[in-house]
Formats: sequence, C-alpha cells, structure tokens
Amino acid sequence: DTGVSQDPRHKITKRGQNVTFRCDPISEHNRLYWYRQTLGQGPEFLTYFQNEAQLEKSRLLSDRFSAERPKGSFSTLEIQRTEQGDSAMYLCASSFTGGASYEQYFGPGTRLTVT
Amino acid sequence: ILNVEQSPQSLHVQEGDSTNFTCSFPSSNFYALHWYRWETAKSPEALFVMTLNGDEKKKGRISATLNTKEGYSYLYIKGSQPEDSATYLCASRIQGAQKLVFGQGTRLTINP
Repeated sequence: DTGVSQDPRHKITKRGQNVTFRCDPISEHNRLYWYRQTLGQGPEFLTYFQNEAQLEKSRLLSDRFSAERPKGSFSTLEIQRTEQGDSAMYLCASSFTGGASYEQYFGPGTRLTVT
Repeated sequence: ILNVEQSPQSLHVQEGDSTNFTCSFPSSNFYALHWYRWETAKSPEALFVMTLNGDEKKKGRISATLNTKEGYSYLYIKGSQPEDSATYLCASRIQGAQKLVFGQGTRLTINP
C-alpha cells in the first residue's frame, strides 16, 4: 500500500459548476478525514468518517458541500454551485483506531481553482 | 475556540546552520501535538506525535519538545540541508475530539 491517494490532483472549474473529489485511504484505516487549506493558512477540518458513518461536520461545510463514504473505503467530496471562495487545497487523511490511534496520514491533496 | 499559532511564518537559513521554530496551543483538555513536514506537490509527512508533558522526540537531525502546561512545542533542525526546505505544520488535538487543529505553518527555506 502506497498511502493515501487523491484524485484529481488539480481541478479548474467555472463558478457555478459542480465538482467531485475522490480519496482512497490506507486500506486498513477505518477513519477518514477531509481538510481544506486556503492560501497562507493551515489546513482546516471539514468532516470525518468512521467506517461509513459521518460522525462530525464543521460549520465550514456549507449546504453546498457533501461527503460520502458509502462502503467504508474510499470517500467522495462534492461541491455544488462552486464559488470563487471555494478555491483551496482539499486534503484527505486516514487513521486506524487500534493501538495508540494518534497518527493521521495525509494524501497529496486536490487543488481546486474556481474561475 | 482552539487557536494554534506558529512562529515565525517564514524563515531563511544558511545551509549548515541550525534553526528552531515554535508552536503554541491552548493547554486545556490537551490530548496530542503533531508535527508535519509538507513539501510542495507532496503529501504532508508525519514527523512526530507527542502526548506527555516533557516529551522529546528525535528523527535524524530533527527533534521536538513538548510543554503541555504552558502550551508550546519547539521543533529543532540541526545542520540544515537543502532538502529540509518545506512548510512545517503543527496541529493540536483535544481530548474527545478526532480533528486536528493546525497552525498556519512555518515556511523554511535553506539557502545553499
């Protein structure tokens, strides 16, 4: 297993379009997280799943955002009616609840540009 | 509100010199402090996770310390090399929560 993967790595879209990103976690990891990083800031938490259950959502996650993890493996993050303010790096991370369960392992991110 | 602050925001260091930077975080309900190194176009790489007051961790030329009572952590790099150029992120996690709260990062550039 080569770690957390994200697809696409880059996405350019016009304002008002819908976009969907995919995250494949490390295979045995049961927790999956989405974060967003805007220019000059650190990553900010959006939501997380344990298996297929979405257990926490940030108030940053407006009604235009929806995340799913249908079979407890990969996850998708969809943004509807994109706005210029949605331009950011979207990071996915995964972790395992066994043992110390401290570490979150990150993917390379999807950079979204809304024009 | 859990605010994590890092300083400085950016740093230029001559190759071979040693350097350090700071992460401060609220000490109440503390659970864990994470350090990541993030190079352009790559995944953030986990460096250290520290949980106990007084923890010190080391990986090669990089080390970190933790003070949970006063809410700060230091990251040290000894004998900086060009490959150390990256953004260094710290993140705090409080008890009962899964999310990490990140600082804005320290962007380190090593000048050859």
